Amino acid sequence: AQKVTQAQTEISVVEKEDVTLDCVYETRDTTYYLFWYKQPPSGELVFLIRRNSFDEQNEISGRYSWNFQKSTSSFNFTITASQVVDSAVYFCALSEALDSGYALNFGKGTSLLVTP
Amino acid sequence: GAVVSQHPSWVICKSGTSVKIECRSLDFQATTMFWYRQFPKQSLMLMATSNEGSKATYEQGVEKDKFLINHASLTLSTLTVTSAHPEDSSFYICSARTGTGSNQPQHFGDGTRLSIL
Repeated sequence: AQKVTQAQTEISVVEKEDVTLDCVYETRDTTYYLFWYKQPPSGELVFLIRRNSFDEQNEISGRYSWNFQKSTSSFNFTITASQVVDSAVYFCALSEALDSGYALNFGKGTSLLVTP
Repeated sequence: GAVVSQHPSWVICKSGTSVKIECRSLDFQATTMFWYRQFPKQSLMLMATSNEGSKATYEQGVEKDKFLINHASLTLSTLTVTSAHPEDSSFYICSARTGTGSNQPQHFGDGTRLSIL
């Protein structure tokens, strides 16, 4: 069963628009971690954020912000004033102890295209 | 800090060849390393978990005899794709973690693109 669901396969926005990438997860563990990674066309994974299950505080880092809600098992990611360089595939991931010792379960990714 | 180097970054070889991919933690000791595979336009899927000095744990559906993993030191894990075939063409990426605690982050290599002709 898919543990991390990113319902949006592709999103296309015009530069300077705000965009929110959705992530819903499923776990039986009480201690877990949630991540967002960016994968540009070159392929490497760029770490964006890690959040543990006990910290529901939202976070803002520059143009990026994250909204973690345990009640809805969601960890959404918003980019404000998007830029062309934001174009990439974004992955949400879950790390839990129950399976594979804290390996990452990735969602299927959301491909974001920002056009000028 | 926490740099993971993966080599080679790109491999093209003939069907039937065995290919070795190295994953090195350059400035930390990695007790656990993970190997993931990503087919084009798909997500990253965990292949195996490698702990230093012990046998790797493979995910269901991953052939241990085809994908040989060796984690002989705290800074190096290798993945060997034996007798590679075109269907093994993929993007392979490793990650390394210090310690076994849940609060230890994973650090990813830049990946290896494997193309089997």
